[in-house]
Amino acid sequence: EVQLVESGGGLVQPGGSLRLSCSASGFAFSTFAMHWVRQAPGKGLEYVSGIVSHGRNSFYADSVKGRFTISRDNSLNTLYLQMSSLRAEDTAIYFCVRVLAGYYYYMGVWGKGTTVTVSS
Amino acid sequence: EIVLTQSPATLSLSPGERATLSCRASQSVSTSLAWYQQKPGQAPRLLIYDASNRATGIPARFSGSGSGTDFSLTISSLEPEDFAVYYCQQHNDWQITFGQGTRLEIK
Repeated sequence: EVQLVESGGGLVQPGGSLRLSCSASGFAFSTFAMHWVRQAPGKGLEYVSGIVSHGRNSFYADSVKGRFTISRDNSLNTLYLQMSSLRAEDTAIYFCVRVLAGYYYYMGVWGKGTTVTVSS
Repeated sequence: EIVLTQSPATLSLSPGERATLSCRASQSVSTSLAWYQQKPGQAPRLLIYDASNRATGIPARFSGSGSGTDFSLTISSLEPEDFAVYYCQQHNDWQITFGQGTRLEIK
């Protein structure tokens, strides 16, 4: 069974940092592009960042560019999101997403999410 | 950035009725569009990709159409479990955006 399990969320002060992890199982992690998508409380979905299968190319929404860094360790089947200079508007559920097989951009499998709260 | 505008914001229908949800792009995305369903407290689920292809396990009552800037998601006969929020999503190379969502509620 394909599974994505996020961890690392929590309460952090404005300006602080946090690293999210996503542990993948049930599929060949190293062959799939991966993404992070977030959802602020009571709001819609917002794309955050993506990374190709080999990890050498990554992409960011303008709202997080320069503050967030996506990475992956294919030997550990794990995706990461390093978040720094956090703002109140970064408060959201962060979903780890595997692409649909054969595609880069469609969100085929979603984790349950981890909650990040930025507040003093 | 390509903006996706979904309409209506809320759609109130009864089980058995036909639902048509709209998604309009600010510029052409060809057929690079997907639809997702999200129920309260759950992660979204992929329904449709490439504008009209159903994802694995999605019932045939769900269909997608459109190209360029205008897209539709149609649910031919609503089942109780279909009442949820629906999002469209486009990709333009690695510039990915979502629409703001349409809430489908029971009338």
